[in-house]
Amino acid sequence: SQQGEEDPQALSIQEGENATMNCSYKTSINNLQWYRQNSGRGLVHLILIRSNEREKHSGRLRVTLDTSKKSSSLLITASRAADTASYFCAPPGPDKLIFGTGTRLQVFP
Amino acid sequence: GAGVSQSPSNKVTEKGKDVELRCDPISGHTALYWYRQRLGQGLEFLIYFQGNSAPDKSGLPSDRFSAERTGESVSTLTIQRTQQEDSAVYLCASSLVAGSVSGELFFGEGSRLTVL
Repeated sequence: SQQGEEDPQALSIQEGENATMNCSYKTSINNLQWYRQNSGRGLVHLILIRSNEREKHSGRLRVTLDTSKKSSSLLITASRAADTASYFCAPPGPDKLIFGTGTRLQVFP
Repeated sequence: GAGVSQSPSNKVTEKGKDVELRCDPISGHTALYWYRQRLGQGLEFLIYFQGNSAPDKSGLPSDRFSAERTGESVSTLTIQRTQQEDSAVYLCASSLVAGSVSGELFFGEGSRLTVL
């Protein structure tokens, strides 16, 4: 079934740097979502991009979607220590979201 | 309440005991999902409900796991004869509708289960 695969599995950067996470999926979609999870907590929805959108912004977040390559990327600009979390992409299946293993982002102050 | 509520937040039990985990979704959300997350791992889909029906139970790991939903509201995930490998955080989420055009999932904070 449809599942996003995030890359890299782990990413460590310094505060102020940009962080880029990538997501690949297998079948055609009409939208793709990104979620964030602070350690041991529930997931929080970040952004949804539709298949007819190539790029979407929300604050310091920039998401791109390339349906021809079945891939998406999440860019966090000017990262902060508080951005430390795991990030998951979620392309929709017929009736549910299947999450991958995520990218663990560590931002050092 | 305004968000998805799960209880208990933490549960420690002995191997072989039964446990019940509860999820209160956002009012009016017809779709409800259960996921499991082992330490350091991604989310593993268990089951979802559309209304009170469970069209997809494919993720339930064994017949020791069951779930129900009543009144298109509260859901209970029951694990019978718990094993140590059941130790994980069990996450519940709800959304307005299920399906490929589904929008945002709203997650609870999870129930952390430890089986000794």
